[in-house]
Amino acid sequence: DAKTTQPNSMESNEEEPVHLPCNHSTISGTDYIHWYRQLPSQGPEYVIHGLTSNVNNRMASLAIAEDRKSSTLILHRATLRDAAVYYCILRDANAGGTSYGKLTFGQGTILTVHP
Amino acid sequence: DTAVSQTPKYLVTQMGNDKSIKCEQNLGHDTMYWYKQDSKKFLKIMFSYNNKELIINETVPNRFSPKSPDKAHLNLHINSLELGDSAVYFCASSRDGFNYGYTFGSGTRLTVV
Repeated sequence: DAKTTQPNSMESNEEEPVHLPCNHSTISGTDYIHWYRQLPSQGPEYVIHGLTSNVNNRMASLAIAEDRKSSTLILHRATLRDAAVYYCILRDANAGGTSYGKLTFGQGTILTVHP
Repeated sequence: DTAVSQTPKYLVTQMGNDKSIKCEQNLGHDTMYWYKQDSKKFLKIMFSYNNKELIINETVPNRFSPKSPDKAHLNLHINSLELGDSAVYFCASSRDGFNYGYTFGSGTRLTVV
């Protein structure tokens, strides 16, 4: 599985933007970049995903570097409810056999949001 | 309506017992998964079924047996429970294809005593 590297933890203040980085220097051309988050005592929650172009949805924006070796999840205005572990995951669209493009979670970034 | 629902939410049982966790999704998804999150919070995939067919079977003790009676249900049966099986188990589902996200349930916290 292609690997991602994220900072162990980040802090932000409420109402401010948050930029969560992810490095994936060994990404292949068919890897989708997925972001999930896990709030305390809850299951992981899908946030956003992309392949090459930047993506926006109601939760966040995903900025993908031109060489695709890194990406950044952007929360435009952090709230206390955004405090969670954020996972950056590569999902191989060409995977078959025993992989089938499964989501493999790393240790993620713990985001703390201060009031 | 909950999209992916697991029962029970909590399960406390003694070593050696056999237990089952049930999962149902009402999203019309074709693929379902079981993940295990241990005390160190690492999430690891265990199994995946697509239209009732097993497609992912990670290195999991054969005491764990998934069963999918139809594509909306994926149950996990665990025989001869051990202390190390204590964890939170998450069910998830997704559409076919790689351009879709997973929807996770809220988890079943299993404690083996």
